[in-house]
Amino acid sequence: KAGVTQTPRYLIKTRGQQVTLSCSPISGHRSVSWYQQTPGQGLQFLFEYFSETQRNKGNFPGRFSGRQFSNSRSEMNVSTLELGDSALYLCASSLGGLAGYEQYFGPGTRLTVT
Amino acid sequence: KQEVTQIPAALSVPEGENLVLNCSFTDSAIYNLQWFRQDPGKGLTSLLLIQSSQREQTSGRLNASLDKSSGRSTLYIAASQPGDSATYLCAMRDANAGKSTFGDGTTLTVKP
Repeated sequence: KAGVTQTPRYLIKTRGQQVTLSCSPISGHRSVSWYQQTPGQGLQFLFEYFSETQRNKGNFPGRFSGRQFSNSRSEMNVSTLELGDSALYLCASSLGGLAGYEQYFGPGTRLTVT
Repeated sequence: KQEVTQIPAALSVPEGENLVLNCSFTDSAIYNLQWFRQDPGKGLTSLLLIQSSQREQTSGRLNASLDKSSGRSTLYIAASQPGDSATYLCAMRDANAGKSTFGDGTTLTVKP
């Protein structure tokens, strides 16, 4: 069974631009969560989607948004990029709902903002 | 607000030693606790999952325990090997809000 895939793996953007990251969960998984990982702040929860609905949201500004499609694939968008947005963005999938929330992570997208 | 703390931040041991990694949390209303390992620059690999109703889980040389009353979880690694060198993170999923909170991790180095 294929694991969680994230594209692109590496991205370099300029301050003020916007970026879209993609996550394809494990087949059959309906929950997708996004995290930001930086050396200073560690792993921080961004948001979680289940069956195309955002269920939970972390403490990030509105520049960070996401969505989930009917096939459970998810995208995350960051608008008006700032230097501090440079980080490893990780996506995790789980079955979700009554099936449980054991998380499986993708390899991440390394975003560098210059 | 759930806070998760992992001590120590770094640990260096000789090969073959048994070791314990600690994870403490402030809110006992957890849904589950999951232990991961992360190699430099990579994603997280799931090691063990303990549901709120469980006390421990075992997989090979790894054993994780959960004590909600004391707000602690431990990851026991038996007969450590150089390949175990990585950062180990614990994560709590909140039973109420459904959010996951991660500790900052323990970076383990196993010397041959």
